[in-house]
Amino acid sequence: DAGVIQSPRHEVTEMGQEVTLRCKPISGHDYLFWYRQTMMRGLELLIYFNNNVPIDDSGMPEDRFSAKMPNASFSTLKIQPSEPRDSAVYFCASSFGVINEQFFGPGTRLTVL
Amino acid sequence: AQSVAQPEDQVNVAEGNPLTVKCTYSVSGNPYLFWYVQYPNRGLQFLLKYITGDNLVKGSYGFEAEFNKSQTSFHLKKPSALVSDSALYFCAVRDMIRGTYKYIFGTGTRLKVLA
Repeated sequence: DAGVIQSPRHEVTEMGQEVTLRCKPISGHDYLFWYRQTMMRGLELLIYFNNNVPIDDSGMPEDRFSAKMPNASFSTLKIQPSEPRDSAVYFCASSFGVINEQFFGPGTRLTVL
Repeated sequence: AQSVAQPEDQVNVAEGNPLTVKCTYSVSGNPYLFWYVQYPNRGLQFLLKYITGDNLVKGSYGFEAEFNKSQTSFHLKKPSALVSDSALYFCAVRDMIRGTYKYIFGTGTRLKVLA
């Protein structure tokens, strides 16, 4: 099992540019989560999907952030336009069922200059 | 408000000594509680969970946690710490709020095991 796959692992961009982060969950998992981790704010849940449908996006910081899950094996988190305060490590996680543990990907370290 | 608190930013313990990493929670319904560990430059890894049943839960790498409903706590423990246990530990709770599951992570506790 390859685990949760995220790409890219590192992204450096300039303020105002569009950034797209990608995630492939573990096959068979029906929940997918996007998190952001910073020193100041810790680990924050941004949005999660169940069977490709967004369930709770209350953690999405503002309209510049959007997430999609077009099929069971792929999800994207897009920031447009990006700002320096978006610099963080973004994690994708997946789980099977709502009460089970989440499996985290290695993260994408985003730096917005 | 639903929350989970990890009151210690850092815990230092000598190798071979028992360790405890504290977690308290506040939820509106029955809590589903989890512990995760994060090593440098890695994603979080699941250690153990409490859903129902025995208050003492055993997990990976010799860790265990005790669910205490009256104290609303779910402290992580290990009888004998290893240097390789040094990492960042997160307590998490899943609760249902107005028909939607909410997943809340604590701020993390850095465990440092000294040789």
